[in-house]
Amino acid sequence: KAGVTQTPRYLIKTRGQQVTLSCSPISGHRSVSWYQQTPGQGLQFLFEYFSETQRNKGNFPGRFSGRQFSNSRSEMNVSTLELGDSALYLCASSPELAAYNEQFFGPGTRLTVL
Amino acid sequence: GNSVTQMEGPVTLSEEAFLTINCTYTATGYPSLFWYVQYPGEGLQLLLKATKADDKGSNKGFEATYRKETTSFHLEKGSVQVSDSAVYFCAPTDMRFGAGTRLTVKP
Repeated sequence: KAGVTQTPRYLIKTRGQQVTLSCSPISGHRSVSWYQQTPGQGLQFLFEYFSETQRNKGNFPGRFSGRQFSNSRSEMNVSTLELGDSALYLCASSPELAAYNEQFFGPGTRLTVL
Repeated sequence: GNSVTQMEGPVTLSEEAFLTINCTYTATGYPSLFWYVQYPGEGLQLLLKATKADDKGSNKGFEATYRKETTSFHLEKGSVQVSDSAVYFCAPTDMRFGAGTRLTVKP
C-alpha cells in the first residue's frame, strides 16, 4: 500500500501571500489530520477531517483552514502568510478517527515564508 | 483537556548505553498511548503502542509500559545504536504530542 503523500515537499512564499498544501492519505483511510512542526513549539495539532467534515480543531487563527474531498484527499490553506508560519507541515491519516487509532504520517511540506 | 509532558532533550548517549525517555500524561479516561519516532528528514512513524493499563508495547528493542497509577509511559531501550538517533514523541490518542526528545547516539 502506498503511504501518505504530501505535495509539494518544499515551498517558498513571501509575507502576505497564501498557500495551499495537499495530502493524499493511505487508501481506505478516512481521517486526515494536519500538524505544524517548528523547533520552538514542537508538533502542534491544526485540525482533523473525517468524511469531509472537520471533527477537531487546534488553537490556530482563522488564517489556517482546510477541507477534505470525497476521496479523502485533503488540502490545507494558509492565507496572509506571516514569517512565523515557516514550518514543516505534516499530514497524517488514520483508518477511523485519529483519537482512537495509530496515525500514519507523510514526509511533510517544508514552508518557508520570506 | 488532556496534556502530555515529555523529558526535554537533547539526549546524547554512547552506543550500547541504556536509554530512558520519560513521558507522563493527564487524560480523562484511559487513552491508548503511543511513541512515535522521527528520523532526520522524514515524517513521524509509529514506534510502539499500548492500548490499556499494564500493557507493554515493544518494537526494535524499545519498550514502554502503560502505567495507569503513575499516568506514565516511559520509553526504554537496553542498548542503543547509532541508527537510533532521531526525535522521539510521546502521544496519547487525542492529537496532543509531547515536545519531542532528540536522541543522538555516538559510536
